[in-house]
Amino acid sequence: EVHLVESGGGLVQRGGSLRLSCTASGFTFDIYAMSWVRQAPGKGLEWVSLILNSGTVAYYGDSVKGRFTISRDQSSKTLFLQMNSLRADDSAVYYCARVVGMAAVGTYDFWGQGTLVTVAS
Amino acid sequence: QSALTQPPSASGSPGQSVTISCTGTRNDIGGYNYVSWYQQHPGRAPRLIIYEVNERPSGVPDRFSGSKSGNTASLTVSGLQAEDEAEYYCSSFGGFNNFKVFGGGTKLTVL
Repeated sequence: EVHLVESGGGLVQRGGSLRLSCTASGFTFDIYAMSWVRQAPGKGLEWVSLILNSGTVAYYGDSVKGRFTISRDQSSKTLFLQMNSLRADDSAVYYCARVVGMAAVGTYDFWGQGTLVTVAS
Repeated sequence: QSALTQPPSASGSPGQSVTISCTGTRNDIGGYNYVSWYQQHPGRAPRLIIYEVNERPSGVPDRFSGSKSGNTASLTVSGLQAEDEAEYYCSSFGGFNNFKVFGGGTKLTVL
């Protein structure tokens, strides 16, 4: 059974940093692209970042480009999101999702339960 | 403001059918057959219910169906059941500058 568990969220000051993790199980992690999607309280979904299965290529949404870095560790089956220069509007639940199919156009078929990030202003 | 436009709410009685629309542009929905729909119950993670416009993942009832015409995608829920009450989000490939775009969500109420 596919399982994704996010961790690392919490309360951080504006301008601070936080590193999120997403631990995968139940599937062959290194053959799938992975993504982060966030949801601000009471709001809709916003795509944040995507990393190819190799870990060598990554893409970012305009709102986080230059501040966030996605990475992965194949040996521990863990996806990461390093978030720097955090702003109040980065406050959200952050979900990791598995991407099936061609990475760029792929379907996000399984999602974790999310981890809450709150940026205090 | 979301890239794709959905009505904020929809409703129907048990057993009825309801259709939720999702309008984009030729740069996303109109340009690609990579439309997905997600169901989200309060406090839960999104669940994939439709991908590539009209494909259903295993385990999703065939009461859920998807379609697309031009720049607008649609999700139809037939034979409404109480457990279908949830928020529904559409998404599409948005091109290589914005890989995945979402709609603002539609709250489906089963009366």
